[in-house]
Amino acid sequence: EIVLTQSPATLSLSPGERATLSCRASQSVSSYLAWYQQKPGQAPRLLIYDASNRATGIPARFSGSGSGTDFTLTISSLEPEDFAVYYCQQRSNWPGPFGQGTKLEIK
Amino acid sequence: EVQLVQSGAEVKKPGESLKISCKGSGYSFTSYWIGWVRQMPGKGLEWMGIIYPGDSDTRYSPSFQGQVTISADKSISTAYLQWSSLKASDTAMYYCARGVFTVVMDIWGQGTMVTVSS
Repeated sequence: EIVLTQSPATLSLSPGERATLSCRASQSVSSYLAWYQQKPGQAPRLLIYDASNRATGIPARFSGSGSGTDFTLTISSLEPEDFAVYYCQQRSNWPGPFGQGTKLEIK
Repeated sequence: EVQLVQSGAEVKKPGESLKISCKGSGYSFTSYWIGWVRQMPGKGLEWMGIIYPGDSDTRYSPSFQGQVTISADKSISTAYLQWSSLKASDTAMYYCARGVFTVVMDIWGQGTMVTVSS
């Protein structure tokens, strides 16, 4: 089973700063990686699929990159509503687990 | 509007059975996978299984195989997750979600909280 490891576990930044979140796969998942955002008390929301494609309605400040085993989610300039938990997920094979999450908190 | 609406919160005792639902609307229910995801209190997201309502093709995560049953009734655009004998460790929020590319979940239900306590 492919394991996804996210880092850091917690990222403390201020609004307006740039956020860089990492997801590493235990073996190649090609470009089949997605990112989700989850705010407290809400369902997850799809942000990015297939490494770099923004989902419908997702602001341009969110971008994804990477292929193979190393992937990055970048938020170019943090807005107050971006502070949440972010999960990566692969679709290279079933049951593609989610990463353990990165909590993005206000500094 | 494309949406998934889940059934309401449940409080059950250990050993009881339960079936929760997820109703799709605003799209062709039979053309997309529906997945179920567990989130235990304060924890991350875990795949339970997926079903393709068009032909009822169902796949389970090894951790949940034999523990739950996933089904769908395409005539009413509804997917189900059921337990025959609940345990306290089944206490969690359960989400259904629509799958594009099978397991990329673009639309999520609001979640169903299941509490199992004696």
